[in-house]
Amino acid sequence: ELKVEQNPLFLSMQEGKNYTIYCNYSTTSDRLYWYRQDPGKSLESLFVLLSNGAVKQEGRLMASLDTKARLSTLHITAAVHDLSATYFCAVGRWIGNEKLTFGTGTRLTIIP
Amino acid sequence: DVKVTQSSRYLVKRTGEKVFLECVQDMDHENMFWYRQDPGLGLRLIYFSYDVKMKEKGDIPEGYSVSREKKERFSLILESASTNQTSMYLCASSFGRRGRYEQYFGPGTRLTVT
Repeated sequence: ELKVEQNPLFLSMQEGKNYTIYCNYSTTSDRLYWYRQDPGKSLESLFVLLSNGAVKQEGRLMASLDTKARLSTLHITAAVHDLSATYFCAVGRWIGNEKLTFGTGTRLTIIP
Repeated sequence: DVKVTQSSRYLVKRTGEKVFLECVQDMDHENMFWYRQDPGLGLRLIYFSYDVKMKEKGDIPEGYSVSREKKERFSLILESASTNQTSMYLCASSFGRRGRYEQYFGPGTRLTVT
């Protein structure tokens, strides 16, 4: 059974600081996704990582994938308040169709 | 832009009631999904459909059924609602082809069963 673990579950950080959210998964995957969820809102797609060594960046967020270590990271650079949200990683496997298994989420709070 | 809509943002039902949650997507996607989201558990897949009238069980299908009579519409049915089905329900859709994997989510329905 595929397990996806994120850590930390909660993260409170000051504006301007850097931090990393980790996503470990237990079996071989095909793709790794990162989503953002604001309170009371739905999930917004941030990144889709397709292969080992993939790195994608958007603004202050950068995601990477190491399929050998079964690890993805979401790095936040010089955090700003509007990055406060819950971030989910999800592992995608093609089983006739793409099936996603989600991590538990990391609730990020940026303190001014 | 892909748009996935859900019929209600908030719903309150009594134990034992039959509950219908509706989801509509406007991008001609083949695949549609129903998840529930609970604190500390992330999102868990209830059912998905890869074509009209086709459905497959996800990880937690017990107590739920689904219906897909038209390509754009996917319904989640709670035959007899119970308090442990109080949750946020999220619908998603995607293309059903290799290389077009991304799932697009609706706004969610927060269901409370009393």
